[in-house]
Amino acid sequence: DQQVKQNSPSLSVQEGRISILNCDYTNSMFDYFLWYKKYPAEGPTFLISISSIKDKNEDGRFTVFLNKSAKHLSLHIVPSQPGDSAVYFCAEGFQGAQKLVFGQGTRLTINP
Amino acid sequence: NAGVTQTPKFRILKIGQSMTLQCAQDMNHNYMYWYRQDPGMGLKLIYYSVGAGITDKGEVPNGYNVSRSTTEDFPLRLELAAPSQTSVYFCASSPPATGVNEKLFFGSGTQLSVL
Repeated sequence: DQQVKQNSPSLSVQEGRISILNCDYTNSMFDYFLWYKKYPAEGPTFLISISSIKDKNEDGRFTVFLNKSAKHLSLHIVPSQPGDSAVYFCAEGFQGAQKLVFGQGTRLTINP
Repeated sequence: NAGVTQTPKFRILKIGQSMTLQCAQDMNHNYMYWYRQDPGMGLKLIYYSVGAGITDKGEVPNGYNVSRSTTEDFPLRLELAAPSQTSVYFCASSPPATGVNEKLFFGSGTQLSVL
């Protein structure tokens, strides 16, 4: 039973355009949501997070949106750059519980 | 800045062999974790520890054992390796829960093949 789903295994975007990565979850009790980025042969690195009391959080070119009623999380990257090519994982959890449930990942490719 | 260090990076095991995956962190983090990532799947939690001497099972603990004798080290032991344990293993650490600032710091992974 997949609690966190990233339905797009891959996404290809032109450099300079917007990249939108999506994530759906089933457990309405999750109150903390994160995005991680992973390059080949490296471990995932934290990108951005949002708590359930917010619906948007921005950090430079990265914005995370949370739609609690739809149980949907998205990551917007504007403008997309070649260095953004990586696998992106969404993750959900409970604040203070220190255990995260990860999605399957979406491979983002930014084309010059 | 070492962060989280995992050894070895690659290993091939025969069915039934045993091995220990090493993980060390130098950030004085209380919390440490072991995840595995199968192809096309997300990371699944194997075991975690909230401090020296304290460990607990995650989502997929069968076939593994852990110990936490120091804050820095969190080795993962595979007994009687099986092909289903072929995966990439990631160790991670985090400071105590701080609400919205919680995040995990990952090592670079160990790619394990059991043949």
